[in-house]
Amino acid sequence: GAGVSQSPRYKVAKRGQDVALRCDPISGHVSLFWYQQALGQGPEFLTYFQNEAQLDKSGLPSDRFFAERPEGSVSTLKIQRTQQEDSAVYLCASSLRSGRTDTQYFGPGTRLTVL
Amino acid sequence: DAKTTQPPSMDCAEGRAANLPCNHSTISGNEYVYWYRQIHSQGPQYIIHGLKNNETNEMASLIITEDRKSSTLILPHATLRDTAVYYCIVRTNSGGSNYKLTFGKGTLLTVNP
Repeated sequence: GAGVSQSPRYKVAKRGQDVALRCDPISGHVSLFWYQQALGQGPEFLTYFQNEAQLDKSGLPSDRFFAERPEGSVSTLKIQRTQQEDSAVYLCASSLRSGRTDTQYFGPGTRLTVL
Repeated sequence: DAKTTQPPSMDCAEGRAANLPCNHSTISGNEYVYWYRQIHSQGPQYIIHGLKNNETNEMASLIITEDRKSSTLILPHATLRDTAVYYCIVRTNSGGSNYKLTFGKGTLLTVNP
């Protein structure tokens, strides 16, 4: 079946531009996560949704980062006034239920480069 | 969640078993051990997880020591496509709302022909 998809796969932005990154989770998955992966590092948690509710946004690095999942399926991560330090791969993951041990399935990521 | 320690890199010959170690000496009784891997330019891929018993699936085996302070991921017959960064993660299953995965830097496994 279809896995988690993300678009665009690559995004180049000039410093100060706003960007929107899309995540299509596996159909029917309740939980959705966003992670940020800097070059040479492991992914770091940004935020978590259970259906349309954003239950944890403790990992968002600044108020320039905003995520939503209005209908409990597709999610968008928006970064306003991008800075060079925002350059990273942004990964989306989904899991079937909200259980703590549920397997998270990851998308291929969006590589954001801020010039 | 408990921290983990993994070697930064390992090599393995194609067709041989790859044994990837992980130390998690501060693991508590309600924490699971998870393994994910990340092939270049892809998202992380779930491999296996366990609590205290050894586990096996179609991808790998997970051996957890009796005191649960360390574990080993075993790829029984490594292929070139197994070249990836392997992450060992411990994850609590109770209390609070901490559902996130906490990744370290992992082990870069290079399978050589």
